[in-house]
Amino acid sequence: GAVVSQHPSRVICKSGTSVKIECRSLDFQATTMFWYRQFPKQSLMLMATSNEGSKATYEQGVEKDKFLINHASLTLSTLTVTSAHPEDSSFYICSARFSGTGNQPQHFGDGTRLSIL
Amino acid sequence: SQQGEEDPQALSIQEGENATMNCSYKTSINNLQWYRQNSGRGLVHLILIRSNEREKHSGRLRVTLDTSKKSSSLLITASRAADTASYFCATDARGAQKLVFGQGTRLTINP
Repeated sequence: GAVVSQHPSRVICKSGTSVKIECRSLDFQATTMFWYRQFPKQSLMLMATSNEGSKATYEQGVEKDKFLINHASLTLSTLTVTSAHPEDSSFYICSARFSGTGNQPQHFGDGTRLSIL
Repeated sequence: SQQGEEDPQALSIQEGENATMNCSYKTSINNLQWYRQNSGRGLVHLILIRSNEREKHSGRLRVTLDTSKKSSSLLITASRAADTASYFCATDARGAQKLVFGQGTRLTINP
């Protein structure tokens, strides 16, 4: 089945640090990737939709200058949390969908647990 | 915004019993999908049902879709301890690229 690799799986760092998370589709091309945030025992909240070769589309309330997204190739999207603070601590998950027609599921990475001290 | 609502929020049953989870949504959809999430992990796709389908099976999973009521159900038969996880429905709305997830059901299977 389709595999999405997300790295790193866990980050612990000091307040003010910028953190980059990578999301790779290993065996398929993904025109579109998605970034989610999940708080404990809650559902996934979509942060942004990442489109290869163009600017990401951010959901309402998500600061684009805070959460920088780059989708430079059909297999890689990155999320950079800039100048992270304790309130940015969360579980971040990416997903990717096959390029082409609709009615396709999303394939998820294993998530990155970000802890800001 | 999260448009899906799932019930129950939590379900605890004995191994071997059947588990039923329900999902309601608000807008017109292309399809509805069910995912499973083990604690601290990403989501695993279970099954996709298109808007013109009413029922779909995959192994011990059975999904129904009622577009007139804007609702879906996931039935897991003969549950196993390994089925313990959170289950989410997600709708792929018409005209939208993105999925909208329900709040999820935390399922616990007691051995």
